[in-house]
Amino acid sequence: DTEVTQTPKHLVMGMTNKKSLKCEQHMGHRAMYWYKQKAKKPPELMFVYSYEKLSINESVPSRFSPECPNSSLLNLHLHALQPEDSALYLCASSQEAGYPSEAFFGQGTRLTVV
Amino acid sequence: KNEVEQSPQNLTAQEGEFITINCSYSVGISALHWLQQHPGGGIVSLFMLSSGKKKHGRLIATINIQEKHSSLHITASHPRDSAVYICAVDQGAQKLVFGQGTRLTINP
Repeated sequence: DTEVTQTPKHLVMGMTNKKSLKCEQHMGHRAMYWYKQKAKKPPELMFVYSYEKLSINESVPSRFSPECPNSSLLNLHLHALQPEDSALYLCASSQEAGYPSEAFFGQGTRLTVV
Repeated sequence: KNEVEQSPQNLTAQEGEFITINCSYSVGISALHWLQQHPGGGIVSLFMLSSGKKKHGRLIATINIQEKHSSLHITASHPRDSAVYICAVDQGAQKLVFGQGTRLTINP
């Protein structure tokens, strides 16, 4: 199994809603990542988890809250988002953080904030 | 100036043509990745390389560490190769630095 699975694929939420994005991998990877991608732009790193601990937070606003409940799962909790947060949110995993290893990406969650 | 520069930004070609996409970087790296992104979002890892050359099917990736340059070649291009190709460098700091991407369109 070489897949990173993200759910949901599409999400529309209001600015007062609370929602969560989910990411799952069963490759035994110990590093997991959240990226945000706006249209026609490259992905921007948001968070890195290494061995289930948050190792990088790229100054992301607190309305985005990551969680890594176990080595296979990564969540991104969303609360009080703004319309400019509408984007494609990509999850990725790799064998180890800090060592060159192939990155596996999910299909992404396309988020629209209304 | 971006740390990772790709050229061209857009490329349109006819089916069967040989395609080259270039990537230059200005930082020290531990590896370089070539990624493919189709409309609809998902990103697929094509290659990870730190030296020399790799080949997979019709795709070839090369890297010259001294010149800080990498190329992705597609032989016998096909409309299904139409996608955005992204070069990303791994500086060994748990994060990738991405180029702006090359939008490739192959016409039948």
